[in-house]
Amino acid sequence: AQKITQTQPGMFVQEKEAVTLDCTYDTSDQSYGLFWYKQPSSGEMIFLIYQGSYDEQNATEGRYSLNFQKARKSANLVISASQLGDSAMYFCAMREPDSNYQLIWGAGTKLIIKP
Amino acid sequence: NAGVTQTPKFQVLKTGQSMTLQCAQDMNHEYMSWYRQDPGMGLRLIHYSVGAGITDQGEVPNGYNVSRSTTEDFPLRLLSAAPSQTSVYFCASGTALANVLTFGAGSRLTVL
Repeated sequence: AQKITQTQPGMFVQEKEAVTLDCTYDTSDQSYGLFWYKQPSSGEMIFLIYQGSYDEQNATEGRYSLNFQKARKSANLVISASQLGDSAMYFCAMREPDSNYQLIWGAGTKLIIKP
Repeated sequence: NAGVTQTPKFQVLKTGQSMTLQCAQDMNHEYMSWYRQDPGMGLRLIHYSVGAGITDQGEVPNGYNVSRSTTEDFPLRLLSAAPSQTSVYFCASGTALANVLTFGAGSRLTVL
C-alpha cells in the first residue's frame, strides 16, 4: 500500500493565486515527520517545510504553509501568492520513527504557474 | 561551503560495466544516503549510512554497493550495470538531530 499519496500529477495555476498541493499519508505510528521538497527543472531537491506529528501549530515558512490534519492523515502544502518561479515538481515525504532517518516519498505533483 | 557534492553529473555506461558515483559533504553530517529517482515515482532509498563504518540497505539495494570509510564520503558502486539502473541518482546528508536532508545536484546515469 502507498504510504504517501499525491493525487495531483499536475496542476496549472494562475500567477498570484494561492495553490494547495495534496498529500495524504499512511502510518500506524504516533510520532512521525512530514516534509515537502521542491524540485525545479534544474533538478536539485530543495527543502521547503517540515511538520512534526506532535506539533500543535501548522508549520509555516514564508509563503509556504502546511495544512496538517492529523485525523485525516493529510499534510497539504499551501503556497500563497504564487510566482512564476514556483513552477516545479513538489514532493511530499514522511519519516517514521525507528526508520533510521529514511524518508518515504510520494510520486510528486508538477506545478505550472501561468503568467 | 559546498554542501553535498556529487560527481559525475552525467554518465553513459554499457551493460555490464562498473562505475562509482561519488558523494562528498563538508557539513560533518552523520547521516548520508543514496536515492534513485525514476519518472512517475517518488525517490527510492538505495543505501544509507548513519556514520563512518556503518551502512545499511534501503528499499532498492540490489545491484549497488556502498562504503563509508570517512564521515565526508559515501560512494555508490554499480558492479555490473543494467538498463534497469538508468535513473537519476541523488546523494543526501543530514544530522542525527535535524530533520532536513541536504541533497546533491543529482547524477544522471544511462545504461545502454
